[in-house]
Amino acid sequence: QVQLQESGPGLVKPSETLSLTCTVSGGSVRSGAYYWSWIRQPPGKGLEWIGYIYHSGSTNYNLSLKSRVSISIDTSKNQFSLKLRSVTAADTAVYYCARDRDTGGYFDFWGQGNLVTVSS
Amino acid sequence: QSALTQPASVSGSPGQSITISCTGTSSDVGSYNLVSWYQQHPGKAPKLMIYEGSKRPSGVSNRFSGSKSGNTASLTISGLQAEDEADYYCCSYATGNTFVFGPGTKVTVL
Repeated sequence: QVQLQESGPGLVKPSETLSLTCTVSGGSVRSGAYYWSWIRQPPGKGLEWIGYIYHSGSTNYNLSLKSRVSISIDTSKNQFSLKLRSVTAADTAVYYCARDRDTGGYFDFWGQGNLVTVSS
Repeated sequence: QSALTQPASVSGSPGQSITISCTGTSSDVGSYNLVSWYQQHPGKAPKLMIYEGSKRPSGVSNRFSGSKSGNTASLTISGLQAEDEADYYCCSYATGNTFVFGPGTKVTVL
């Protein structure tokens, strides 16, 4: 059974960079059958897709965040990571990592989520 | 990448059937049969309930079914049970190899 686990700071100061890592177990990020995504959910609000990465390093991002976000992958550690620059209070959210089937466009496994609060 | 449209809330009595709609555009729901639905209980991660419009993952009750017509997808829950009370989100693959979610629908079991 595939498991994903987010890790990273729970508090980030405004204007700084939010950094999170997702560790995958029970499966490999090298698999060509999947993309690896980040999705966030502000408190009390809905889900927002942030972007994904493929094992080759190819990425795609939500246009609304594209200027501030980057996703990278470390196949040796079976991890992928998120960086979101110049954060504001509006970036406060639970950040989820998820696996996305390349042919089906759906997220079949999710991490438990990591609450990141942007505050001074 | 505009969000999809869902009703804020839907309710039903135990044993009844309810349907949640998800309306998009010709750039997402209307162009791809790649709508998925997720159930989220408070404080938990979303759970995949329907993918590719109407397919159920292993382990998901057959009380959950999905369909699509034009730019609108639907999730139907039949034989409503107390455990079905949760938030439900639709998601569609969209132009530009991106994804767009709906705002979520709160399902209440009366």
